[in-house]
Amino acid sequence: EVQLVESGGGLIQPGGSLRLSCTASGFTVSSNYMNWVRQAPGMGLEWVSVIYSVGSTYYADSVKGRFTISRDNSKNTLYLQMNSLRVEDTAVYYCAREAYTYGPFDFWGQGTLVTVSS
Amino acid sequence: QLVLTQSPSASASLGASVKLTCTLSSGHTSYAIAWHQQQPEKGPRYLMNLNSDGSHNKGDGIPDRFSGSSSGAERYLTISSLQSDDEADYYCQTWVTGIRVFGGGTKLTVL
Repeated sequence: EVQLVESGGGLIQPGGSLRLSCTASGFTVSSNYMNWVRQAPGMGLEWVSVIYSVGSTYYADSVKGRFTISRDNSKNTLYLQMNSLRVEDTAVYYCAREAYTYGPFDFWGQGTLVTVSS
Repeated sequence: QLVLTQSPSASASLGASVKLTCTLSSGHTSYAIAWHQQQPEKGPRYLMNLNSDGSHNKGDGIPDRFSGSSSGAERYLTISSLQSDDEADYYCQTWVTGIRVFGGGTKLTVL
């Protein structure tokens, strides 16, 4: 059974850093394209970043230069390192698997809340 | 620029059918999309992948009441025999090299 479990969220001050984790089971993270998606309170879904199976990474303009996506194959875990956090980064962060290369997101985690506030 | 456009809200009565629309921006009208459902206070759930020819593949456990169709730049999600727990936000999603895009979402109210 495919499962994705996010962790690492919390309350952080503006300018701070946080690392989110997404632990996968039932499949191999490194074999799939993996994404981070966020949802600010009361708002819609916003794509944040993707890492390809070959290791290429891409980011939304809103986080480029501040966030870094990575994975640890030995732990079957996806990460999102978030630096220089802003109030507007406050959101629930979801990890999501792409079903196949350039395909739909077919499995989602339950999300982890990041609150950036002084 | 790749953009997905959805109406902010829709409503239909219990037991009736509703058709939600997602419109692809000019120059991207042949793209496949995915539909996702987000019930209140829950994470998103994948419903289906929908191609430009209307063929679609549903996620595990998605009932037959959910179906998809396409016409030009429009991608549709039809939900029949509406139930109370179909009341949710519905998002379309697509992809190109380096970018993934979501529509703004449609809030479905079941009357």
